Amino acid sequence: NAGVTQTPKFQVLKTGQSMTLQCAQDMNHEYMSWYRQDPGMGLRLIHYSVGAGITDQGEVPNGYNVSRSTTEDFPLRLLSAAPSQTSVYFCASNNREITEAFFGQGTRLTVV
Amino acid sequence: AQSVAQPEDQVNVAEGNPLTVKCTYSVSGNPYLFWYVQYPNRGLQFLLKYITGDNLVKGSYGFEAEFNKSQTSFHLKKPSALVSDSALYFCAVRDDGSGGYQKVTFGTGTKLQVIP
Repeated sequence: NAGVTQTPKFQVLKTGQSMTLQCAQDMNHEYMSWYRQDPGMGLRLIHYSVGAGITDQGEVPNGYNVSRSTTEDFPLRLLSAAPSQTSVYFCASNNREITEAFFGQGTRLTVV
Repeated sequence: AQSVAQPEDQVNVAEGNPLTVKCTYSVSGNPYLFWYVQYPNRGLQFLLKYITGDNLVKGSYGFEAEFNKSQTSFHLKKPSALVSDSALYFCAVRDDGSGGYQKVTFGTGTKLQVIP
């Protein structure tokens, strides 16, 4: 099993550009989440999904959109990138039986 | 609102010595508590969890953690540190809830440096 796969690993964007961070899991997990990791702030929840077609906002959702058309995929869209979105982004998955989360390897995003 | 505090940004310990990484939490219901480890340029990896039962939880790589309800703490411990344990450690908490998705709150992380 590949687990949770994120692409790309690194990305540089110009302010105002849009892009999609991809996340896929092959464990048939119900729940998927996106976090951002910033120095001194730990991980903060951006958006999450409890199943295909169902998404909800986390702690810091502004500037990001998500969708969940399949169980496997949970892409994160940056609508108009801002320097404040420079961060490391992690996707995670789990389900109600497996309480701990499985994380992808992260996407390091720099907005200039 | 739930919260997690990791009071130490960095912990230094000599190889072979015991290590402790501290974590305290606040949650309205019964806590589910987790420890994760992050190696450089990698995602978080699950180490151990407390949901119910024995207050001393054993996990991967020889780590263990002690749940203390009265002190609302969940400190991570290892009897003998290895240089390879050097990494960033995150404590996390969620409410037990009534089933379904429960949001998890992460601490700010503690960098563990094991000195040869």
